[in-house]
Amino acid sequence: SAVISQKPSRDICQRGTSLTIQCQVDSQVTMMFWYRQQPGQSLTLIATANQGSEATYESGFVIDKFPISRPNLTFSTLTVSNLSPEDSSIYLCSVGTGGVGEQFFGPGTRLTVL
Amino acid sequence: GESVGLHLPTLSVQEGDNSIINCAYSNSASDYFIWYKQESGKGPQFIIDIRSNMDKRQGQRVTVLLNKTVKHLSLQIAATQPGDSAVYFCAETYDSGYSTLTFGKGTMLLVSP
Repeated sequence: SAVISQKPSRDICQRGTSLTIQCQVDSQVTMMFWYRQQPGQSLTLIATANQGSEATYESGFVIDKFPISRPNLTFSTLTVSNLSPEDSSIYLCSVGTGGVGEQFFGPGTRLTVL
Repeated sequence: GESVGLHLPTLSVQEGDNSIINCAYSNSASDYFIWYKQESGKGPQFIIDIRSNMDKRQGQRVTVLLNKTVKHLSLQIAATQPGDSAVYFCAETYDSGYSTLTFGKGTMLLVSP
């Protein structure tokens, strides 16, 4: 398994600002993913972060709102832009280490937008 | 940490009981399934997986049953302990390299001492 850390663990932001979340893995991984978990809900995949190329976004998520970087095989960032209260969620990164479907998750970043 | 289970179905059991958590999956083409446990303030943690060529798989205190006919998964936890209290999610995907996971709605398990 991989050890995954996220920064910040939580933040409170004002409407209209942006928050960048960092995800660091202790080993090189092929696949990194970003999920959103709204209060009391399940996890929804935002995008797959591809190293060296643009992220692959799921339906309903766009690059302008959720820009993602993946500069190397151990690190990725997710920015949530132009924040509104509806963006208040837990944002989680996960990594795939080779086993089909098996993913390991970071601890999450709790975002509250006022 | 904050609870993620505010609006989720809840199963309440006594310590020592057996727990059964159910999940209906959506895609008949899915052929690989995972159960995750999410404790308050933490990310989901892998519990057990099963491929579609099996209908049962056992781990330590946990058993997953798969019924492909009705697209149903269940997670059985034997001798439930207070430390098992968490939200449990099933996830589905295709067994073909790197396909993305689709998560089910989740069930909160509350274990009373």
